[in-house]
Amino acid sequence: DTAVSQTPKYLVTQMGNDKSIKCEQNLGHDTMYWYKQDSKKFLKIMFSYNNKELIINETVPNRFSPKSPDKAHLNLHINSLELGDSAVYFCASSWDLNTEAFFGQGTRLTVV
Amino acid sequence: DQQVKQNSPSLSVQEGRISILNCDYTNSMFDYFLWYKKYPAEGPTFLISISSIKDKNEDGRFTVFLNKSAKHLSLHIVPSQPGDSAVYFCAASAKNTGNQFYFGTGTSLTVIP
Repeated sequence: DTAVSQTPKYLVTQMGNDKSIKCEQNLGHDTMYWYKQDSKKFLKIMFSYNNKELIINETVPNRFSPKSPDKAHLNLHINSLELGDSAVYFCASSWDLNTEAFFGQGTRLTVV
Repeated sequence: DQQVKQNSPSLSVQEGRISILNCDYTNSMFDYFLWYKKYPAEGPTFLISISSIKDKNEDGRFTVFLNKSAKHLSLHIVPSQPGDSAVYFCAASAKNTGNQFYFGTGTSLTVIP
């Protein structure tokens, strides 16, 4: 039974489209995250969501928006996709902001 | 700005020998450090952690050493096994950065049978 699951695993889309990546965790964690791993393998946090408080990495364009319908889900919506958005996106969860996170398997987004 | 650095992109070690993976950081306020292991097409999985109040933490074959004055940590795997072949990421956090974790770029370890 997967602890942190995200869908889809692969996503190929054209520039300008809007897409969503879904994430669910069944660990009962209070905190969820979205990370981006770019072509240089940097793994950078995009958002963390803890007790309904959203912490945004200021370098993330506002075309990216997280949506959390409940504590177990944190979806990522991306508007007007650009070529530079191509990356692997990881969802993760943890008990709180300063504990180790459990990661999903990643979504490889390719914008063409 | 890259606050956590792993300067060796890859490392090859013979099975049974020790693997030493290194990580350097620039923010002296970092007080909690993690190592993650990542297999291809999977997400990172937590391996071991260390708090800045300690200089060593051991869990089975894995030991993490922290040298605060040098802003350096290392992960020792002994003995290395072929199943240890993966990419290893170190990560660091501090209260003054909102506890968010900063990751290194990873070191790809290959354990040769």
